[in-house]
Amino acid sequence: SQQGEEDPQALSIQEGENATMNCSYKTSINNLQWYRQNSGRGLVHLILIRSNEREKHSGRLRVTLDTSKKSSSLLITASRAADTASYFCATEPGSARQLTFGSGTQLTVLP
Amino acid sequence: DAGVIQSPRHEVTEMGQEVTLRCKPISGHDYLFWYRQTMMRGLELLIYFNNNVPIDDSGMPEDRFSAKMPNASFSTLKIQPSEPRDSAVYFCAGQNTEAFFGQGTRLTVV
Repeated sequence: SQQGEEDPQALSIQEGENATMNCSYKTSINNLQWYRQNSGRGLVHLILIRSNEREKHSGRLRVTLDTSKKSSSLLITASRAADTASYFCATEPGSARQLTFGSGTQLTVLP
Repeated sequence: DAGVIQSPRHEVTEMGQEVTLRCKPISGHDYLFWYRQTMMRGLELLIYFNNNVPIDDSGMPEDRFSAKMPNASFSTLKIQPSEPRDSAVYFCAGQNTEAFFGQGTRLTVV
């Protein structure tokens, strides 16, 4: 099974609303990253949070990390139609560099 | 910098044919990863290199798959012979900390 599992699998909201996606993982990590993928395109890095950090902001993005629960959340505030995409969490384990990606959340923002 | 460049963007081939996917990573990334993405299995790591040396190929599904990185600016993923179940989007990504993905190669084996 995958290291990171996102929840929900799909999310549909109205423009202007906030979108929250969750990620759970299983093993210890160096950092956790969030990526976005538009249809037919490659993944694009959004934000990285290290294992000793609890919260991080970047523009309209807010990421939290709870290492005791092995979970993270991505909040997109004031969503826009252009935010429509799949969002993936990825974990870098403590012992190696390779990222393990979750199954993704498909976000649809309706205009 | 044009980013990670993959070629071809689309490939349609007949079962049994050899397929070669190419990747030109961004200069300065110590790691290069090959992934495969399908609806059923999501994003799977196939193999990765560190400073052009293969480190972990445990994700390569079968001996039909092979990958090389002859230098820091070029890598190939070869499937020989190809099968319909190999149909997927194949990504390469360069990485130090965060990963930079190419646009992918959509492979269809008929």
